[in-house]
Amino acid sequence: NAGVTQTPKFRILKIGQSMTLQCAQDMNHNYMYWYRQDPGMGLKLIYYSVGAGITDKGEVPNGYNVSRSTTEDFPLRLELAAPSQTSVYFCASSYGPGEGTIYFGEGSWLTVV
Amino acid sequence: AQSVTQLDSQVPVFEEAPVELRCNYSSSVSVYLFWYVQYPNQGLQLLLKYLSGSTLVKGINGFEAEFNKSQTSFHLRKPSVHISDTAEYFCAVTSGTYKYIFGTGTRLKVLA
Repeated sequence: NAGVTQTPKFRILKIGQSMTLQCAQDMNHNYMYWYRQDPGMGLKLIYYSVGAGITDKGEVPNGYNVSRSTTEDFPLRLELAAPSQTSVYFCASSYGPGEGTIYFGEGSWLTVV
Repeated sequence: AQSVTQLDSQVPVFEEAPVELRCNYSSSVSVYLFWYVQYPNQGLQLLLKYLSGSTLVKGINGFEAEFNKSQTSFHLRKPSVHISDTAEYFCAVTSGTYKYIFGTGTRLKVLA
């Protein structure tokens, strides 16, 4: 059982480049999330989705876009990368409200130079 | 609005000693509480959770936490730590919607 799978694990981008972080889950979860983790700052929610075709902004959405065409996949797109987007990105999923547990992917380390 | 405060950014402790990692929260509604552990270069794994019922919750790897509603706390404890417990620990709260609020983390360093 793979759980939440993210790719790539590591990436270096130049300022102004674009890229997509891939995320897939095989638990048939309705809810999916993208967080970024910066040292000493905890996790900040970028975008979330409550089901296929439905996405919404979190706390820090600027510079990012998402889509959710299937239950399984929730890619995160970075447009015009900036040094402020250097971070660790985590995709996560949960069944839905009430049960509670979020399951995280292994993370994607992104550096913008 | 909800918030989570982890008072200690780093906690050094000797192997086989007890440890307590503190977590306080604020919320105007009922909450679910979680502790997650993050080992270096890995994602977050669930240690334990409080949804309802008994206020003492037991988790994996010998950890436990106690929900104290009057003090709005959910401290994590282990009676005897091992080197392998060295990791970062996050407290999180949700009212049952999509929104999870995470603390800033406590780095536990177990010393030989």
